[in-house]
Amino acid sequence: DGGITQSPKYLFRKEGQNVTLSCEQNLNHDAMYWYRQDPGQGLRLIYYSQIVNDFQKGDIAEGYSVSREKKESFPLTVTSAQKNPTAFYLCASRRRQGYYEQYFGPGTRLTVT
Amino acid sequence: GDSVTQMEGPVTLSEEAFLTINCTYTATGYPSLFWYVQYPGEGLQLLLKATKADDKGSNKGFEATYRKETTSFHLEKGSVQVSDSAVYFCALSLIQGGSEKLVFGKGTKLTVNP
Repeated sequence: DGGITQSPKYLFRKEGQNVTLSCEQNLNHDAMYWYRQDPGQGLRLIYYSQIVNDFQKGDIAEGYSVSREKKESFPLTVTSAQKNPTAFYLCASRRRQGYYEQYFGPGTRLTVT
Repeated sequence: GDSVTQMEGPVTLSEEAFLTINCTYTATGYPSLFWYVQYPGEGLQLLLKATKADDKGSNKGFEATYRKETTSFHLEKGSVQVSDSAVYFCALSLIQGGSEKLVFGKGTKLTVNP
């Protein structure tokens, strides 16, 4: 079955540590996205990538970094510079051309203490 | 700028009640419109979509009509079930300069009681 996988489901880290969240898709989609979800604030775009080896900052990129070395993978690193990293992180992908909807992964809940 | 405004929740209904969740948008171009649903602890799933004015999206008994004159895309269901309890997000998609921009509303939490 095609889809998006995010791992792990829950992640715990100490303050000051970098942490990388995994996102893999086998839908053959060109575009991939990372969102952050906080209670009562909907989804906010962190980074997105239209093609391999290219990515752009979203609305809240500070304290985050990404890479896109393979079409299937778009890992997100939450750095120690991110002031409030505890959140639910969602990865999504879509076909690049046209009005196609985004497909979402199950999410990773990150808790930093 | 481009934005989506949804009615604030939470919304609590009894089973078989009629549901309306209001959504209005502001966009510089001609967006596509979507409703996504999120069940507890999960990612978002596309519920329905409409790509041009007067289109009606429908799925699982839910409907929404793209109203350009009122810039609205209200979600409706005639008879809700307990299993419809979730958070619903309205979103718009614009293609600008070859890249897509997806803007979400803040979500409306629906609880359906038996």
